[in-house]
Amino acid sequence: EAQVTQNPRYLITVTGKKLTVTCSQNMNHEYMSWYRQDPGLGLRQIYYSMNVEVTDKGDVPEGYKVSRKEKRNFPLILESPSPNQTSLYFCASLPSWGNSEAFFGQGTRLTVV
Amino acid sequence: GENVEQHPSTLSVQEGDSAVIKCTYSDSASNYFPWYKQELGKRPQLIIDIRSNVGEKKDQRIAVTLNKTAKHFSLHITETQPEDSAVYFCAATGGSGGSYIPTFGRGTSLIVHP
Repeated sequence: EAQVTQNPRYLITVTGKKLTVTCSQNMNHEYMSWYRQDPGLGLRQIYYSMNVEVTDKGDVPEGYKVSRKEKRNFPLILESPSPNQTSLYFCASLPSWGNSEAFFGQGTRLTVV
Repeated sequence: GENVEQHPSTLSVQEGDSAVIKCTYSDSASNYFPWYKQELGKRPQLIIDIRSNVGEKKDQRIAVTLNKTAKHFSLHITETQPEDSAVYFCAATGGSGGSYIPTFGRGTSLIVHP
């Protein structure tokens, strides 16, 4: 089954404690992206990747890191989480021919206290 | 980069009424405009899309229109049903930057009252 898998689904952590949210897709898609969803602000792009070892900042990259060492995986790293990073996070993938449907992971609800 | 504005932020209708959600985009090079529906607690999923060489597209009760000159596109839902209640996002892709990663509007919360 074609899917994008994020883990964990829920996470409560403390300020400053490094964490990683994993994202994996099995559709051989070149493009992957991370979004955060906050009430009234919609889906804002954090980082995106157009291929292995190629990543670019989105609209709200501060406080986040990503890596793309393999085509299927695109982890989101918070080196020193802060309460303003409490949010719902979505990973998405889509094929490189573009102008096509984006497939989303299940979402990760992160709370930083 | 691309900027997508979406209105209204909340839309409340009676079952059976029509609902219209409007979006504008800034990058005239954008050429693909998908719409996603996000039910409560779920991930966004594509419901309909339109490409720049088409002015209108229909799929049963939903339709999308595109005006490239004015740089705006709209989602139309007819004969709304309670199961249409969700957050709807418009997006634009294929802009000048060459990336096909979508830029989303802020979303519209549609409430359909039985």
